[in-house]
Amino acid sequence: EIVLTQSPGTLSLSPGERATLSCRASQSVSSTYLAWYQQKRGQAPRLLIYGASSRANGIPDRFSGSGSGTDFTLTITRLEPEDFAVYYCQHYGNSPRTFGQGTKVEIK
Amino acid sequence: QVQLVQSGAEVKKPGASLRLSCKTSGYTFTDHAIDWVRQAPGQRLEWMGWINTGTGDIKYSQNLQGRVTFTSDTSAATAYMELSSLTSEDTAVYYCARDVSGHNGNWGQGTLVTVSS
Repeated sequence: EIVLTQSPGTLSLSPGERATLSCRASQSVSSTYLAWYQQKRGQAPRLLIYGASSRANGIPDRFSGSGSGTDFTLTITRLEPEDFAVYYCQHYGNSPRTFGQGTKVEIK
Repeated sequence: QVQLVQSGAEVKKPGASLRLSCKTSGYTFTDHAIDWVRQAPGQRLEWMGWINTGTGDIKYSQNLQGRVTFTSDTSAATAYMELSSLTSEDTAVYYCARDVSGHNGNWGQGTLVTVSS
């Protein structure tokens, strides 16, 4: 089973600042099969990025994904008020598909 | 537009079973698998498995193997998830999601399941 470890656990930032979220895998993950989700309290997850760097439909271009092998990054260039949420990475190349423990982006 | 609508909240006693539904619309049901994901209070998302609604192929998480069953009804464009021998550790919000090459762009609203004596 591939274990995904996200860091930091919590990111305290102000609107307009840049957010950099990390996802490290316990073994190499094909970039084709790495996704990022946003989840707000009481809501279902929302797909942001798939294939490590492809934005899902309707996702603003301030969200970008990068990385390969065991290290992946989600960057939010300028935080908007609606971006404060929990972010999860997930690999889906094989079973079991696992999620990271999440990074909470909170208002400083 | 693509929609997944899940059945309502459930309260179950330990040892009981539950059956949740996920009614889809807005796309051809057999073109995409349905994934099931759950989230215990304050915890990370946990992938439970998927059902290929076109071929009938199924993959279960090993953690749940033997207790979970996925089915689907093509005529109703609806997927079902059954979980047996419930314990308090099964208390969670359960989600269904449309599988598009492994990632999930469309999710149901979630079903809260509480297991308590």
